[in-house]
Amino acid sequence: GDSVTQMEGPVTLSEEAFLTINCTYTATGYPSLFWYVQYPGEGLQLLLKATKADDKGSNKGFEATYRKETTSFHLEKGSVQVSDSAVYFCALSELKGEGGSEKLVFGKGTKLTVNP
Amino acid sequence: NAGVTQTPKFQVLKTGQSMTLQCAQDMNHNSMYWYRQDPGMGLRLIYYSASEGTTDKGEVPNGYNVSRLNKREFSLRLESAAPSQTSVYFCASSEGWNYNSPLHFGNGTRLTVT
Repeated sequence: GDSVTQMEGPVTLSEEAFLTINCTYTATGYPSLFWYVQYPGEGLQLLLKATKADDKGSNKGFEATYRKETTSFHLEKGSVQVSDSAVYFCALSELKGEGGSEKLVFGKGTKLTVNP
Repeated sequence: NAGVTQTPKFQVLKTGQSMTLQCAQDMNHNSMYWYRQDPGMGLRLIYYSASEGTTDKGEVPNGYNVSRLNKREFSLRLESAAPSQTSVYFCASSEGWNYNSPLHFGNGTRLTVT
């Protein structure tokens, strides 16, 4: 079945460091890809998304490019801030044929801590 | 806007007790979901409701029931709680049942079953 694999955490960085969180996926068709972020004590919220190959999603300085050839959707940010400390989830969603069911498949999450 | 509101925030149950987790959204969304989050497991879908009047099983439905009370409210019931149901439960909603509809999550209910 469809699956998402994220790099193991936790990740600890200093403020202004460069961030990469790796995400690769397995899917039978053409999924949409998402990054969700969960701040402490809160629910998840959508950070960015890409719906087709070579699309780049971006938001709040974060970027991720949908790479079909490597089945990847790595999250990057050029200069992290303390306020970026959170758990980041990669996810995919795929529509299974006309009238078929669809679900969002999440990775296990990567915890990021940014120190001042 | 309140978004997605879950109650209660915390709950401790003894094995065999029952309880209902409440969820309401004020965004006029059609679809609603219940997930559980466990360490190292990510989020797993328990049940969902693609539209008012319909409910379907997700990945881990055993031990749970749901009710889509109206368009706003979607409750999750544990009839006989077990320690394996200790988890953080998230309700979510989305505008439509398609892959371009982002999910909006509540802040979660932390449930402990002893």
